[in-house]
Formats: sequence, C-alpha cells, structure tokens
Amino acid sequence: AAGVIQSPRHLIKEKRETATLKCYPIPRHDTVYWYQQGPGQDPQFLISFYEKMQSDKGSIPDRFSAQQFSDYHSELNMSSLELGDSALYFCASIPTSRLAGGKHTGELFFGEGSRLTVL
Amino acid sequence: SQQGEEDPQALSIQEGENATMNCSYKTSINNLQWYRQNSGRGLVHLILIRSNEREKHSGRLRVTLDTSKKSSSLLITASRAADTASYFCVTSASGTYKYIFGTGTRLKVLA
Repeated sequence: AAGVIQSPRHLIKEKRETATLKCYPIPRHDTVYWYQQGPGQDPQFLISFYEKMQSDKGSIPDRFSAQQFSDYHSELNMSSLELGDSALYFCASIPTSRLAGGKHTGELFFGEGSRLTVL
Repeated sequence: SQQGEEDPQALSIQEGENATMNCSYKTSINNLQWYRQNSGRGLVHLILIRSNEREKHSGRLRVTLDTSKKSSSLLITASRAADTASYFCVTSASGTYKYIFGTGTRLKVLA
C-alpha cells in the first residue's frame, strides 16, 4: 500500500540558507500535518492543511511557511536557517470523513521524515 | 504546548518484564493513538483507541483509556530487547483534526 512520501530524506544546509521539504500524502488523503522533532526532543506540531487551506497552526517560526497544492502534496519552506532548525521533520496525513465515506479510522499516517542539518 | 504528558519519561526494565507507560491529556478527544520511534527514525503506529472504548489489545500490547481521568496507559507484556524505543501518545481533540504528541517515554529493555 502507498505510504506518505517525504523528500528529501536528508538535507544539509548552511546558516541563513533556504530549504524546502516536500510531502506527498497517501492517495485520497486531503489533510496534511507537519511536525518538527529536534535531537532528543518530542515532535512538535508546526502546521496542518485541509483541502489546501491552513487548518491549524502550532509552533511554526515566522521564517517558515507552508502550503498544500491542488494534488494535496505539501511543501514546507524554511528561510534564514538557524542551527536550531536542525531536526527531523515529519509529515503525516489522514483522509477526512468526506473522502473516507464517513469511515475514517482516525489513524495518523506518518512519512519517514526529512532530516535537516544546518551547519 | 503539548496536549499529552507521559510518565515515566524514561523506563529501564529487564527482558521478559512488563512495561507500563502512562499518558495524560487535557481536552476531550476523538481518539488516542500510541506510536513507537526507534532512535531518531520514523514513527510506527501501534494502536488506536477511540473515546468510547476502554481497553484494546493487539498482540503483546494492551491499551486502556479513562476519559474521566483523561488518561491512557500502554502495557507491553513480556518485553524484548527489540522493544527498546521511545513511545508517544498522540491525541486527536474532539471536533477537530488536530493531533498533538504527548511527552515520550524512552523505554530501554535490557537483555
């Protein structure tokens, strides 16, 4: 079965550079979540999208922006990178009841993560 | 801020023993899920329990949910060295599609 695909899996950037992470949800999943997990820390919710609109916002820095496209894939753009942005970035997806015919299990499906290292 | 809090945050046990991890949360929920993460890698879904369920089993896993106390527990029976990982509860707040992680429990199973 298709899973959530994240790219790139690893990314190395210098301070003050820009990075873009991509997330391709499972087909027919219209809701996407982004999480950031720093070294030795718990995942922190950044932002989520439903039907290409931002649905919830967490602890996402102003230097970060994200969007969801017409094919439901999402991109997280990070600018003016700082050392503290080094983390594992997870994307997750779910189908809403609309797409799941009201039978959505509620399970959140995660990608393998993109590891960003800022030097 | 985190919705769920877990305890203990670190747990070290001998192989064959049972491991119990607890999670508390603050708001009404649709469901609660438990995930495992091996050292900085991806998140593996273990089990989901709905707000109208009280207990659920899957293999060596047993999850309980007490909505009156806003808490859940994950029991791993007959633990193995391969169970060494971080375990997280993730709650979905009622009426939303927002999923929040609790503080993970780092489980170490000693052979």
